[in-house]
Amino acid sequence: GDSVTQMEGPVTLSEEAFLTINCTYTATGYPSLFWYVQYPGEGLQLLLKATKADDKGSNKGFEATYRKETTSFHLEKGSVQVSDSAVYFCALSATHRTGANSKLTFGKGITLSVRP
Amino acid sequence: DTGVSQDPRHKITKRGQNVTFRCDPISEHNRLYWYRQTLGQGPEFLTYFQNEAQLEKSRLLSDRFSAERPKGSFSTLEIQRTEQGDSAMYLCAGEGAGETQYFGPGTRLLVL
Repeated sequence: GDSVTQMEGPVTLSEEAFLTINCTYTATGYPSLFWYVQYPGEGLQLLLKATKADDKGSNKGFEATYRKETTSFHLEKGSVQVSDSAVYFCALSATHRTGANSKLTFGKGITLSVRP
Repeated sequence: DTGVSQDPRHKITKRGQNVTFRCDPISEHNRLYWYRQTLGQGPEFLTYFQNEAQLEKSRLLSDRFSAERPKGSFSTLEIQRTEQGDSAMYLCAGEGAGETQYFGPGTRLLVL
């Protein structure tokens, strides 16, 4: 079945450091890929998405590129801020583009803490 | 704010009791999803509605669980004869034409 694997956490960085959070997936066909973020005390929010191979999703300085050959969707940011401290979830939807049920399969999530 | 609300935000109950959660998406959300999230894990799909029709249920949704979406607006998730293993965060998400799921804040259930 479909699955998403995220790197183990938590991750602690100093402000302005470079961030990479790894995500790989297993799915039939060509899934759509997502990064969701959960800030302390808040619900899940879509951070960015990519719907086909080689697409790059970007938002708030974060980027992720859909790599079909390596089945990966790693999240990067060049300079993190304290306000980026949150839990980050990688997810896929195997039927997103067919217009059918777009149920999401999530990774376990990783907690990012950014020190001033 | 995603516009999706859930009620209650927290629920503590004793084993064997029934509980009901409510989700109110915005009017444009013709699709509605329920997920369950346990500590240290990502959300797991439970069930999905297209308007008022429940079109898919996960194996996680035992016969003690029932969900409805009358009139295709709000949705309820009921758990009968709760067990300690039901303790989790229950998340609701609405989806409209943009094919992006907007999550509510969740209902945290603790079964004693």
